[in-house]
Amino acid sequence: EAQVTQNPRYLITVTGKKLTVTCSQNMNHEYMSWYRQDPGLGLRQIYYSMNVEVTDKGDVPEGYKVSRKEKRNFPLILESPSPNQTSLYFCASSSLQGAGAPYGYTFGSGTRLTVV
Amino acid sequence: GQQVMQIPQYQHVQEGEDFTTYCNSSTTLSNIQWYKQRPGGHPVFLIQLVKSGEVKKQKRLTFQFGEAKKNSSLHITATQTTDVGTYFCAGRRGGYQKVTFGTGTKLQVIP
Repeated sequence: EAQVTQNPRYLITVTGKKLTVTCSQNMNHEYMSWYRQDPGLGLRQIYYSMNVEVTDKGDVPEGYKVSRKEKRNFPLILESPSPNQTSLYFCASSSLQGAGAPYGYTFGSGTRLTVV
Repeated sequence: GQQVMQIPQYQHVQEGEDFTTYCNSSTTLSNIQWYKQRPGGHPVFLIQLVKSGEVKKQKRLTFQFGEAKKNSSLHITATQTTDVGTYFCAGRRGGYQKVTFGTGTKLQVIP
């Protein structure tokens, strides 16, 4: 089954304790991206990657890191989480259409992160 | 930076009534996509529009891309309880790989 798998689904952590949210896709998609969803703000892009070893900042990259060492994996790293990073996080992937534009995203099930 | 706004933010309709959500971009878009997110779920891709003035239909859903490629709409005819959820538009500017999501419209259907 074609899917994007995120882990964990739920995470409660303390301020400053490094954490990683994993994301893996089995569709051989070039494009992968991380979004955070907050009430009233919609989905805001954190980072995206066009291919292996190619990453770029989205609209809200501060406090986050990513890596793309393999095509299928795109982990999100919070080196020193803070309470304002409490949010619902989604990983998404897509194939690339003409001009390198992402087509419709396939989203993971989400990770609900609480930083206390 | 690019901004994509949606109105209304919330909409309650009686089952069987029609529903429309509007998406407006501060910049001209190369394409626009629509997604649906059920309560507690993740966004699911519905459709992509590319051409100026394009209209596409999926059963009771009609999607439209404005002539100036700065706005779009989603219209649902005769809503059903299965239509409940939040509808997002997502726009991409030409030459950019970033996709900016709108703020979403949350639809509640009253049986």
